[in-house]
Amino acid sequence: QKEVEQNSGPLSVPEGAIASLNCTYSDRGSQSFFWYRQYSGKSPELIMFIYSNGDKEDGRFTAQLNKASQYVSLLIRDSQPSDSATYLCAVTDPSGTYKYIFGTGTRLKVLA
Amino acid sequence: DADVTQTPRNRITKTGKRIMLECSQTKGHDRMYWYRQDPGLGLRLIYYSFDVKDINKGEISDGYSVSRQAQAKFSLSLESAIPNQTALYFCATSEGRGYEYYGYTFGSGTRLTVV
Repeated sequence: QKEVEQNSGPLSVPEGAIASLNCTYSDRGSQSFFWYRQYSGKSPELIMFIYSNGDKEDGRFTAQLNKASQYVSLLIRDSQPSDSATYLCAVTDPSGTYKYIFGTGTRLKVLA
Repeated sequence: DADVTQTPRNRITKTGKRIMLECSQTKGHDRMYWYRQDPGLGLRLIYYSFDVKDINKGEISDGYSVSRQAQAKFSLSLESAIPNQTALYFCATSEGRGYEYYGYTFGSGTRLTVV
């Protein structure tokens, strides 16, 4: 069974702090990794993707990938109340069928 | 207009009724997907299609069927709705070029309640 695990939270951080969201995956064959943000009652929106080991930065967001340890993380710097949402991790299904396996998401609350 | 449009946005239907959820996109993407989202279970894949002649079952296809009427249109049908099909349904699209992976663009969702 291919799995993507995320802590459901809520993860509460004060405004201006760094929020760290983590995701582990079970199949070493997964090649690409995505982070989506989902506000309550809305659809997920893609915020970052990463393919290679290491860090990838985009504005206040940094994705980190460690394939040896099978985890991917998302750091949000200078967290704002508007960042309060559920963050979904998705990894490619290594069966090669261009599908993605989603985690159940981590709910982030940024406290003003 | 939204890139990926789902209709209806909300629907309440009775057990045993047939219902169709529609998805259309202006992204020009080849790959289209139907997911359902349930609290605590995340997004689960129902069906996916990589072109008009290509339809594939996902992990939870029982009780559902799909039709890819055109590159831009992908419909999901519940032949005989049952209460445990109450969920939030999302259509998603992605580019399809060779062996590369691309992120999804999601529609705004259809909240379906079966009573």
